[in-house]
Amino acid sequence: RKEVEQDPGPFNVPEGATVAFNCTYSNSASQSFFWYRQDCRKEPKLLMSVYSSGNEDGRFTAQLNRASQYISLLIRDSKLSDSATYLCVVKEVTGGGNKLTFGTGTQLKVEL
Amino acid sequence: NAGVTQTPKFQVLKTGQSMTLQCAQDMNHNSMYWYRQDPGMGLRLIYYSASEGTTDKGEVPNGYNVSRLNKREFSLRLESAAPSQTSVYFCASSEQGGNYGYTFGSGTRLTVV
Repeated sequence: RKEVEQDPGPFNVPEGATVAFNCTYSNSASQSFFWYRQDCRKEPKLLMSVYSSGNEDGRFTAQLNRASQYISLLIRDSKLSDSATYLCVVKEVTGGGNKLTFGTGTQLKVEL
Repeated sequence: NAGVTQTPKFQVLKTGQSMTLQCAQDMNHNSMYWYRQDPGMGLRLIYYSASEGTTDKGEVPNGYNVSRLNKREFSLRLESAAPSQTSVYFCASSEQGGNYGYTFGSGTRLTVV
C-alpha cells in the first residue's frame, strides 16, 4: 500500500464549479500535512498547511481526519488558473529528521 | 529573493558520463533535500541533509552521492549515469522542523541516452 494515496484524475470541471480532492495516508504517526500545487513542468509550491480543526484560505478549504487518516482539499468557484496538479503531502519525524512523503498528485483541469 | 536555485536547468548525458547538479538556498534553512520526479511515481527522496555537516539516504539513493558543501549549498552527483536516471530532479530546503513545508528549486531535467 502506498504511504500517501490520491486519485490521479484528471478532474475536468467547468469554471465556477466546486471540486474536492481526497487523500489517505498509511502512517498514523504522521505529524503534519500539506497541499502543494504543481503546474506543468514547474516545481511544487506550497498551497496550504492542513490543521486538525480544518482551515480555509480564500476559495480553498483543507480538512484533516486523523482517525480515518484522511485529508481533503475543497476548491470553490474554480478558476481557469486553478488548473494544475495538487499534491497531498505528509510529514513524519524519523530518527534522521523530518521526512515529507508526497502523493502522486491529482490533476485538475478547469474549463470554460 | 531567489529562494532555491538549481543548475543546470536541462542536461543530456551519455550512459556512463558523470555530472553534478548544484543547489543553493538563500533562506538560511538548515535542511536540504534532493528529490526525483518520474511520471506516475510522484516525488521520491534521494538524499537529504538535516543540517550542515550531515547527509542521509532517502528512498532511492543508489547511483547518487551528495555533498553538503556549507549551509547554503547541497550538490547531487551522478558518478556513472544510466538511462534509469532520466528524470526531473528537484532540490528543496526547509527550516529545521519542516513545519512550514519545503521550498523547491525550479528543477533540472536530465536525460541519459
